[in-house]
Amino acid sequence: DARVTQTPRHKVTEMGQEVTMRCQPILGHNTVFWYRQTMMQGLELLAYFRNRAPLDDSGMPKDRFSAEMPDATLATLKIQPSEPRDSAVYFCASGLWRGVDTEAFFGQGTRLTVV
Amino acid sequence: GENVEQHPSTLSVQEGDSAVIKCTYSDSASNYFPWYKQELGKGPQLIIDIRSNVGEKKDQRIAVTLNKTAKHFSLHITETQPEDSAVYFCAASAGGYQKVTFGIGTKLQVIP
Repeated sequence: DARVTQTPRHKVTEMGQEVTMRCQPILGHNTVFWYRQTMMQGLELLAYFRNRAPLDDSGMPKDRFSAEMPDATLATLKIQPSEPRDSAVYFCASGLWRGVDTEAFFGQGTRLTVV
Repeated sequence: GENVEQHPSTLSVQEGDSAVIKCTYSDSASNYFPWYKQELGKGPQLIIDIRSNVGEKKDQRIAVTLNKTAKHFSLHITETQPEDSAVYFCAASAGGYQKVTFGIGTKLQVIP
């Protein structure tokens, strides 16, 4: 059963600490998205990659957030330093783009709490 | 950029009744409209989608309609069941390298 795997599922950290969230996309998918979900803003796109190259990260606070794909099986989202306002559920999604549109499959999310 | 508005934000229906969720979008270039269902503690799951060359699509108890002229699209759930209770998100994308933009979500409660 192919699925997007995110780790950790929950993370509590102190303000100022570095946080790294990991995502294993579905094998064969060429597009990876990072979303942040909060009650106030809903689902916000932070960044997305196609064939491991970043296509758009305009939704990400550049001074503290970074997203990478070291290889096709791993995507990472880092926050350094973390702040309480970063508390949210972070979702990774992957999809297969074949020149038209991308159906995105979501992972279970990482619930981040910054205290 | 694209702006997707969704309403209502909450919806309660009796089991067996129908539920309708409506969305509007702003970018006339959008041509792909997925709908996601999110259950508590889980990630959104794609339940149905529609592309701009189709006006309506059905899958068992769910259907989506699209009016490109008015930039409206809707989700219809018939014969609702308690397990339909969840948050539903509409989304729009212009395809290609464009972003998928989500609506704010509708919390559907089906009352047994």
